[in-house]
Order: sequence, then C-alpha cells, then structure tokens
Amino acid sequence: SQQGEEDPQALSIQEGENATMNCSYKTSINNLQWYRQNSGRGLVHLILIRSNEREKHSGRLRVTLDTSKKSSSLLITASRAADTASYFCATSLSGSRLTFGEGTQLTVNP
Amino acid sequence: EAEVAQSPRYKITEKSQAVAFWCDPISGHATLYWYRQILGQGPELLVQFQDESVVDDSQLPKDRFSAERLKGVDSTLKIQPAELGDSAMYLCASSYGLEGAEQYFGPGTRLTVT
Repeated sequence: SQQGEEDPQALSIQEGENATMNCSYKTSINNLQWYRQNSGRGLVHLILIRSNEREKHSGRLRVTLDTSKKSSSLLITASRAADTASYFCATSLSGSRLTFGEGTQLTVNP
Repeated sequence: EAEVAQSPRYKITEKSQAVAFWCDPISGHATLYWYRQILGQGPELLVQFQDESVVDDSQLPKDRFSAERLKGVDSTLKIQPAELGDSAMYLCASSYGLEGAEQYFGPGTRLTVT
C-alpha cells in the first residue's frame, strides 16, 4: 500500500525555473527520503530528512519536513533539462522498510 | 563507484512459464530488497533480507513468488508460473544498515509476460 502521495502528478517547467513537489503521508515516520528515477532506470537517492529535522539542503535541492502536517516538499532550484525524471518520496516507519508514493513526473523544457 | 547489479535487464516470457531474476548488491551491504514497480506507480516492496534471513515478505505472493539469498550476498527472485499481471519492473536495492538507511538501486529487470 502507498503511504505517500505526491502532488502534482506531473509538472512541466522551463529551464532555469524552480520546481516544487509535495508529499503527504499518513502515519508517524522515522525519516523521509526523496528519490529520482529516469525513464526505465533504477531509483537514485537524493536526500534523507529525519523526523526531528525541518529543512535540509543538498546542492540545488532543498527539502522541508512538517511533521505536524505530515508533509514534505522538494524544491529544485535553477532546473536543467537533465532534471527531467520522476521524483518519489518514501517514508520509513520502522526498521528500513520504505513505502513509496506514486511520484511526480517532472519535465524541464530547454 | 560501487553499484547494484541486476540481470537480465529485459525478459519476455509466456504466461505459465518460470522466470528468475538475479541481483548482486553493493559489497558490505547486509540488507537487500526486491521491489516491483508497475508502470506509472511507485515501487512496492516484495521481500527484504538481512544477511541471509528474510525480514519482511508480507507483500510477496508466496503461491508463485520465491526469493533466496543463500550466502547472504547475491539473491534470486523467481516467479513460477508467471501471469500476465506480473508484467512490471523488478528492482533490487541494498543498504548498509537497518534503520531507514538510504537504499541503492540497481537498473531493474523489465518483465513482459505474454
């Protein structure tokens, strides 16, 4: 069963613009992770934010976590055509089992 | 950089046939996962190993799916018999630890059942 829900399902922007994707979940979590998947390929880990953290940065990525609202957002600044991919949030409830959302398909137009 | 290896990359099989997928995790990663990803959806965990032991197989259709990791290193996922609804991407991932650690994914095996 999918715990996370990404919003929007699809996002199309121009190169140089910022892209924001949101993730909502239903139960308490240990941490939340974001992954990227290029078409037909495996997933690549982007960033992990723990339940006691509110914001985290990695390069052009900024992730926020609001445990009171059970939501997270992923911001990609100054997007590039190479950022075109599907982005998934995944929540860790116990142990290392991850539950993935349905994903946001991001298209960055040159 | 170390990667998770999977083979084959693509597999076409007829329904009722047997099919097997192989995964070699990153060296030193004790935890290994098999996921199934239907087109347009997120990955769904089928089975999780800690070394050679199954930690979670609650979502594995045990009447037709089996998985093993005999020496706690590489792993095989088998489907017998395959059904049309098994067409999907099968992803293997590994991680160093147990507590919600980041996972490293292989390229996946795209299965088509005809």
